[in-house]
Amino acid sequence: AQSVAQPEDQVNVAEGNPLTVKCTYSVSGNPYLFWYVQYPNRGLQFLLKYITGDNLVKGSYGFEAEFNKSQTSFHLKKPSALVSDSALYFCAVRDLIRNQGGKLIFGQGTELSVKP
Amino acid sequence: GAGVSQSPRYKVAKRGQDVALRCDPISGHVSLFWYQQALGQGPEFLTYFQNEAQLDKSGLPSDRFFAERPEGSVSTLKIQRTQQEDSAVYLCASSPWTVSGNTIYFGEGSWLTVV
Repeated sequence: AQSVAQPEDQVNVAEGNPLTVKCTYSVSGNPYLFWYVQYPNRGLQFLLKYITGDNLVKGSYGFEAEFNKSQTSFHLKKPSALVSDSALYFCAVRDLIRNQGGKLIFGQGTELSVKP
Repeated sequence: GAGVSQSPRYKVAKRGQDVALRCDPISGHVSLFWYQQALGQGPEFLTYFQNEAQLDKSGLPSDRFFAERPEGSVSTLKIQRTQQEDSAVYLCASSPWTVSGNTIYFGEGSWLTVV
């Protein structure tokens, strides 16, 4: 079965410092990996995805993620954090069982707090 | 519309009441998903439609939950005889034709509180 794990419930970073939000995955076959962000009382907003190709994926709002097959990881990164980046971040893997639409399977989420 | 639209945004239901939650996906999107998100948790899959066909309902927690998409566009998630454990955010999402690399876009969610 496909699954993702986010080992940190919370990450605290000072504004201007680099940030990393960790995600590891377990899949059979090639993984299709996604990152979403959720602001308070809002839905999920798509940040970026890895399907194939370059291991470093660039996304919205200056975020990027590095796909590492040997470590089965897909960590989210940003070189310089902003206070406005404070939100809940979800890693997800697409379940590719045929005829089931490729639903997303989510991790438990990591709350990112960026302090001024 | 430009994005996935859900209504109502907020719903307070008395225990035992029936509720209906509506989702209007992005125009032309074939795939539609419903998810349930409990407070402090990641979204959990409920059901999936390809056009009007409900191809996967493995995540529906009980037979009190029912979803439909009769014309392959708007979808409704119905919860009968609501219980307190049904309190959650219900997220609808859509994507273009079922290609695994396609992005799935989410609505703002319907926040259900059962009292």
